Amino acid sequence: GESVGLHLPTLSVQEGDNSIINCAYSNSASDYFIWYKQESGKGPQFIIDIRSNMDKRQGQRVTVLLNKTVKHLSLQIAATQPGDSAVYFCAEEFFGNEKLTFGTGTRLTIIP
Amino acid sequence: DTAVSQTPKYLVTQMGNDKSIKCEQNLGHDTMYWYKQDSKKFLKIMFSYNNKELIINETVPNRFSPKSPDKAHLNLHINSLELGDSAVYFCASSPRDNNYGYTFGSGTRLTVV
Repeated sequence: GESVGLHLPTLSVQEGDNSIINCAYSNSASDYFIWYKQESGKGPQFIIDIRSNMDKRQGQRVTVLLNKTVKHLSLQIAATQPGDSAVYFCAEEFFGNEKLTFGTGTRLTIIP
Repeated sequence: DTAVSQTPKYLVTQMGNDKSIKCEQNLGHDTMYWYKQDSKKFLKIMFSYNNKELIINETVPNRFSPKSPDKAHLNLHINSLELGDSAVYFCASSPRDNNYGYTFGSGTRLTVV
């Protein structure tokens, strides 16, 4: 079955540095990918998405890269701030499936 | 104005009881979902409804019964609660057009004792 996994369960980054969170997926039919941020006691919050016909998409301080050849997704956060501390999830979907499949999450901790 | 709201936020109950969680969205989305997040933060879909019709039932025990009175509401009723049902339950909605844009509620933490 399809699965979405993350390489690192925890990541600690110095404030001001860039963060990179990685995600591997196994379903080559997936055509839509989303990164979510979940802060303690809150629901997942949309950060950025990307479709399979793109390799890169940029938002405010965030960039998502998609490598379909190796089925790998990454989230880059520039100039990490204390407010970026959270658990980050990648999620995938493919047309007609009508559901998001989530990865296991990476906890990002910002070191002051 | 909260886009996807769930009540209650916390629910503590004894084994064997029946409880309900309510969800409402004011985004005009056609599709609503219930997700379960376990103690290891893993999020897994349980149900989805499109315009009041059940679309997805991910082999959830039939003690869980979703009900959608209209497309803005999706409630979750759980019978005969078990210890393993303890988790955080998230409601979400999506417009199901080219811009999927799932929006999640803030969750209901269910603790079964």
